[in-house]
Amino acid sequence: EPEVTQTPSHQVTQMGQEVILRCVPISNHLYFYWYRQILGQKVEFLVSFYNNEISEKSEIFDDQFSVERPDGSNFTLKIRSTKLEDSAMYFCASTLVGTGGYNEQFFGPGTRLTVL
Amino acid sequence: DAKTTQPTSMDCAEGRAANLPCNHSTISGNEYVYWYRQIHSQGPQYIIHGLKNNETNEMASLIITEDRKSSTLILPHATLRDTAVYYCIVLNNAGNMLTFGGGTRLMVKP
Repeated sequence: EPEVTQTPSHQVTQMGQEVILRCVPISNHLYFYWYRQILGQKVEFLVSFYNNEISEKSEIFDDQFSVERPDGSNFTLKIRSTKLEDSAMYFCASTLVGTGGYNEQFFGPGTRLTVL
Repeated sequence: DAKTTQPTSMDCAEGRAANLPCNHSTISGNEYVYWYRQIHSQGPQYIIHGLKNNETNEMASLIITEDRKSSTLILPHATLRDTAVYYCIVLNNAGNMLTFGGGTRLMVKP
């Protein structure tokens, strides 16, 4: 069964450093998402991406964050200058159709980001 | 999107049906009810969704009341592997992002 993959599984970085989290969505999917979950808290939406541009983003997704689909398979989340509060599990998701009735999102296993 | 209310936690005996309720009294006509679950820090997993009619798939059944103000997710024969947090999410037709609440922590006990 096709699945979303994410690398690395765990990333440790120093505060102020840039990190890139990588995702390979399911191959024929068209909509891509990043969510995050701070330990013990809810899963929070960050951004959705379709047709090579951001379609929605949350208040969390500020100028320190960016997303890119550099080739036909990868989808990346970059945090430009990490803060302690960016420590969280980051989940990538993808879906074939992005509208309400067909929005079965497939999630990856997540990347645990630890900022020291 | 409409807000949902779920019990914080529930227990279920292994092999019995688990019935997880969700209240979405402000749901509007073009909003769908989605259920996801998250097994201990793994990525959320889609279970089922519906608009008006009851739905069934290999994982679960979804019963939506006639007025659509509440729904119940049914896991017909719960196993220990079904221990997870279950999220009920309402999504409109143009909806894109999933808004996760606190969900229901289901503990399946032997």
